[in-house]
Amino acid sequence: AQSVTQPDIHITVSEGASLELRCNYSYGATPYLFWYVQSPGQGLQLLLKYFSGDTLVQGIKGFEAEFKRSQSSFNLRKPSVHWSDAAEYFCAYRGSTLGRLYFGRGTQLTVWP
Amino acid sequence: DGGITQSPKYLFRKEGQNVTLSCEQNLNHDAMYWYRQDPGQGLRLIYYSQIVNDFQKGDIAEGYSVSREKKESFPLTVTSAQKNPTAFYLCASSRIKDNVNTEAFFGQGTRLTVV
Repeated sequence: AQSVTQPDIHITVSEGASLELRCNYSYGATPYLFWYVQSPGQGLQLLLKYFSGDTLVQGIKGFEAEFKRSQSSFNLRKPSVHWSDAAEYFCAYRGSTLGRLYFGRGTQLTVWP
Repeated sequence: DGGITQSPKYLFRKEGQNVTLSCEQNLNHDAMYWYRQDPGQGLRLIYYSQIVNDFQKGDIAEGYSVSREKKESFPLTVTSAQKNPTAFYLCASSRIKDNVNTEAFFGQGTRLTVV
């Protein structure tokens, strides 16, 4: 079965520290991968996406993610976290061109001042 | 402004009642989706539609129904058969271009509470 795994339920970092959120997917030779962010009580906002090409993709708010086919991973990174980055982050995956999206369970990010 | 509008933002339902959540998009997107979000469970797909007058069940369709009579509208009805309907409901849409389903855009959600 197709699935997305976010191994970290909750991560706490200090403001200014670097961040890496992990995401692994289970299936698909040519996956379509996404990272979304959600503030409490709000909808999801797209941070970045990977369809093909350069495996390092840049997104909004200073985020980037790297697709590693050998590891079935699409980890999200940010060199220096700001307090406003505190939110829940979701990795999503589509295994084919017209397939449905599968979401991970999310990683809650807390930022210490 | 283009976007996805969900209404109402908050909805209270008595046990045994059906309620309908509205989702409208003016992005001219082909596909629309309904997700349910519960704490710690991520987003679970209820129904999705890639074309008018056609829709497919997602992972947790029991107790829900949808219609897609217009491209811009995809209402979700939570029926009395849904045993635990209290949750945050998210509607999304995406464009299908060159036979590729692009990224999904989300509405602001409807919080449904059974009282």
